[in-house]
Amino acid sequence: NAGVTQTPKFRVLKTGQSMTLLCAQDMNHEYMYWYRQDPGMGLRLIHYSVGEGTTAKGEVPDGYNVSRLKKQNFLLGLESAAPSQTSVYFCASTSGQGASEQYFGPGTRLTVT
Amino acid sequence: AQRVTQPEKLLSVFKGAPVELKCNYSYSGSPELFWYVQYSRQRLQLLLRHISRESIKGFTADLNKGETSFHLKKPFAQEEDSAMYYCALRVGGGATNKLIFGTGTLLAVQP
Repeated sequence: NAGVTQTPKFRVLKTGQSMTLLCAQDMNHEYMYWYRQDPGMGLRLIHYSVGEGTTAKGEVPDGYNVSRLKKQNFLLGLESAAPSQTSVYFCASTSGQGASEQYFGPGTRLTVT
Repeated sequence: AQRVTQPEKLLSVFKGAPVELKCNYSYSGSPELFWYVQYSRQRLQLLLRHISRESIKGFTADLNKGETSFHLKKPFAQEEDSAMYYCALRVGGGATNKLIFGTGTLLAVQP
């Protein structure tokens, strides 16, 4: 099992450009999450999904959109990137209601210039 | 308000010294707390959870509801313990399994 994978690993964008980050998990997990990690801020939840076709806002959703068309994939989109979105993005998943441990991907380092 | 506080950004100790990473929380419900660890160039991984009352890699953490704390302790630090440690609080119950993370403490164990 690959676990949770993220594509790409690194990306540099110019202000105003758009991009999509892909998260994939092969553990048949129901719940998936997108976080951003910033120095001194810890991890903050951007959006999450409790099942295929469902999404919900987290703590810092502005400027991001997500989609969960397939159970194994959770996409994070930036429609018009801003320098404030420079961060490391982590995806995580967990099996469902009875489970509590989240399994994390390796992260995507995004720089917006 | 739901909040996790880790007051120390950096904790530097010598090998063999005791370690205590502080975590305090604010939550109106019954808390479920975790410690996650991120070693250099690796992904976050669960270290331990309070409901298991387990010891992992020599680390333990006890939930103190009176002091709303969940401090992480190890009696003798090793160099391989150097990493970023995050305390996390589960909110929303099983319906969402959301976690609120603290800002993290970087543990540096000197030889």
